[in-house]
Amino acid sequence: GQNIDQPTEMTATEGAIVQINCTYQTSGFNGLFWYQQHAGEAPTFLSYNVLDGLEEKGRFSSFLSRSKGYSYLLLKELQMKDSASYLCAVRGSYNTDKLIFGTGTRLQVFP
Amino acid sequence: DTAVSQTPKYLVTQMGNDKSIKCEQNLGHDTMYWYKQDSKKFLKIMFSYNNKELIINETVPNRFSPKSPDKAHLNLHINSLELGDSAVYFCASSWGANTGELFFGEGSRLTVL
Repeated sequence: GQNIDQPTEMTATEGAIVQINCTYQTSGFNGLFWYQQHAGEAPTFLSYNVLDGLEEKGRFSSFLSRSKGYSYLLLKELQMKDSASYLCAVRGSYNTDKLIFGTGTRLQVFP
Repeated sequence: DTAVSQTPKYLVTQMGNDKSIKCEQNLGHDTMYWYKQDSKKFLKIMFSYNNKELIINETVPNRFSPKSPDKAHLNLHINSLELGDSAVYFCASSWGANTGELFFGEGSRLTVL
């Protein structure tokens, strides 16, 4: 079966650091993706990990451990505009763009 | 210029009706998708086309019929609408298999009464 778990909601303060975790159990694995979705808008691509380790992209970093079926998205220097849902998605097999999404983590950033 | 555009953005209709949602992308991508996002914000793939050819067809009722007249367009027709079809339908595109970066349209919110 395919299962991707994320916390439903998180809150944090402007300027702080927040870590959003994602665990997955899928029949195959060929990459893990993070998308950001503001309320009422389309999801937008944030990051991609296929090998173990940390990928850094400005204020956002994403980590992957394939042996543990685990990833996290780290957001630094939080801004109010970071309030959004963060979707973890797994690509189960090679040569397909079929992404299996988790239910998303709704992050609220307070002043 | 909008990269992936869908119409209509909002659609309210009665049970039993037939409706269509259109999608166009001007990114030159080869692959297009339809995703459904339900009230719990769960985003699930429905269909994928690569250069007009159907490559992914998830377990979707056959009331849903996608059509891709060319690689820049992917439309979704839904027959005999049911209450459970109420959701936001997102069109997306990508360069092709194994890229992972999907470009989503703004979504079409369908409400079935």
